[in-house]
Amino acid sequence: DIQMTQSPSTLSASVGDRVTVTCRASQSISSWLAWYQQKPGKAPKLLIYKASTLESGVPSRFSGSGSGTEFTLTISSLQPDDFATYYCQQYHTYYTFGQGTKLEIK
Amino acid sequence: QVQLQESGPGLVKPSETLYLTCVVSGYSISSGYYWDWVRQTPGRGLEWMGSVYHIGTTYYNPSLESRVTMSVDTSKNLFSLKLTSVTATDTAVYYCARKVAVTGRGDFDLWGQGTLVTVSS
Repeated sequence: DIQMTQSPSTLSASVGDRVTVTCRASQSISSWLAWYQQKPGKAPKLLIYKASTLESGVPSRFSGSGSGTEFTLTISSLQPDDFATYYCQQYHTYYTFGQGTKLEIK
Repeated sequence: QVQLQESGPGLVKPSETLYLTCVVSGYSISSGYYWDWVRQTPGRGLEWMGSVYHIGTTYYNPSLESRVTMSVDTSKNLFSLKLTSVTATDTAVYYCARKVAVTGRGDFDLWGQGTLVTVSS
């Protein structure tokens, strides 16, 4: 199984901050990685696929980078709507998700 | 607007079988994509369960393969999940999702709202 490890588990930040979430794969997954945003009681929402391609309709303040085993999700200037939990997901071999990073208001 | 909607019992007894369906509206299942089930628990997080294609091809998570069956009904534009011999560890929010399965993709671009299934006597 490919394990996905996110850090940090919780991140406290303020509106306007630039924040970065890291996702590490237990083996190389090339660029086969997606990022999701989930709010309480809601389904995950696709933000980014193939490590860095923004899904249609997603604000450009979200960006993704990385390849191989290390990936990052960056939000350039936090907006109130961005406080949520973020997950990475690999699709190199089957499909596995990271444990999530909760982005909280500082 | 494409929508997915899960339905099924919210309570299942231990050792029994869980059945869920996902109705797709605004898009024909036969037109493409894979149709998947993902579940979520506080302890294990998000767990992919398996995929079904409109012609009936299936792929399952190896950890669940012995207990999972997925099927599709193109006449009703829905797909289904069957999970046998459930235990308390199968208590979860179950999501149906559409998976983009072309070169370079394997992400889930649309999700249902999720349905909570509790396994308890």
